[in-house]
Parts: sequence; C-alpha cells; structure tokens
Amino acid sequence: DQQVKQNSPSLSVQEGRISILNCDYTNSMFDYFLWYKKYPAEGPTFLISISSIKDKNEDGRFTVFLNKSAKHLSLHIVPSQPGDSAVYFCAASAGGTSYGKLTFGQGTILTVHP
Amino acid sequence: GAVVSQHPSWVICKSGTSVKIECRSLDFQATTMFWYRQFPKQSLMLMATSNEGSKATYEQGVEKDKFLINHASLTLSTLTVTSAHPEDSSFYICSAREQGVRSPLHFGNGTRLTVT
Repeated sequence: DQQVKQNSPSLSVQEGRISILNCDYTNSMFDYFLWYKKYPAEGPTFLISISSIKDKNEDGRFTVFLNKSAKHLSLHIVPSQPGDSAVYFCAASAGGTSYGKLTFGQGTILTVHP
Repeated sequence: GAVVSQHPSWVICKSGTSVKIECRSLDFQATTMFWYRQFPKQSLMLMATSNEGSKATYEQGVEKDKFLINHASLTLSTLTVTSAHPEDSSFYICSAREQGVRSPLHFGNGTRLTVT
C-alpha cells in the first residue's frame, strides 16, 4: 500500500526552465510534507517543507504547493540548474506520536541539461 | 544547520557476522532517531524508531532481534545487524530532529552494507 506516490520516475529539463515534480498521497492523516534531494550513496538532504495549514511555501528557487482536497503536492524549481540534478523524494508525516516517522515516495530522477 | 553523522559510510562483512552502525547528532540533542533502509531503486523505508533511554519501536515486518537498536544518549543511536545475510545488504540511513520543535528530519549520509 503505497501511501505516497511519485508517478514520474524521471524528469528532464533544460537549464533555466522550470522543473515541476509531483507527489500524491492517500492518507488523510498526513499533515506535514517535505521534499528531499538525494545523490547516490548519500543521505537525503532536506529542501523544503509545508504544513497542511498552508497551501504554498517558498524558499529561494524552491516552492512547494499543497492541494489538500486533491491530496497532491508539487515542488517547483525555478530556474533549474544543472546542480539540481538528483533524485527528489517527497515525504509525509502524520501529527501526534507519529510525527517524525516519514513515509517516502519512490523518488523522481531530475536531470537538468545545460 | 543540524548535522547528523553516520559511521561507517560503507562496510563489507561475511555472512553470519554482526555489524554496528553509529548515528550521532552533532549539534543538537535528539530523544528520537529513526532508522531507514533503502534497497536499490526503491524508496526509503522506515525500519524503527529509536528512543533514548527506552526500547526501540519497530515497523511491521522488521525483526527486532536481527536489527538491534541502542539509544544510550541524546546524541547517539546504534543499529547492529546481527548474523547478517546477503539479503541484508542495503543502504541504511539514520535520521534525527531537534527535540521540542517541529523541525524537519535531518539525515545522515547513510551506510552501504554488503554481506558476502
């Protein structure tokens, strides 16, 4: 039962353009969502998060949008840079005693071409 | 920012031996740490929650006698893979967050375990 899904295994974007990575979830108890970036043989690096009380959070080139009714979130990277090439995971957490236990999506490989 | 250090970064061991992986929070205290595992081309899966001063809680399907977790201090959790088998070969990653605040989890760099 995949509670967090990233349906696009890969995405290829030209440098300078926008990258949009999508994530869907099924568990209505999730109330905190995060995006991580990961290189091979390294641990995930936190990028940006959003609480369910918000629908948008922005940090520099990264913006996360949350659509609770659709149980969908997306990460926008503008402008995309070759250094952004990595695997991107979305993750979700429920509140209360479950907070901190993350459920991850399968990941999307982003390739930004110069 | 918060830093989580994991050691070793890679280890090769023979079947039947045990391997210990350390996870340290370097600039914050963590009453709770989390251990994840990632198989090739798959997502990260939570294995267990490590609680300082008490027993770890394991996710369904994770053998607690095989994956021993000790959280002896507010900055150190260890995962010991006992009697390792080739199917235990995986990428093990620990994570922690600062206590008292709703902050994101920070991850260590992971440990690549290969059991021959």
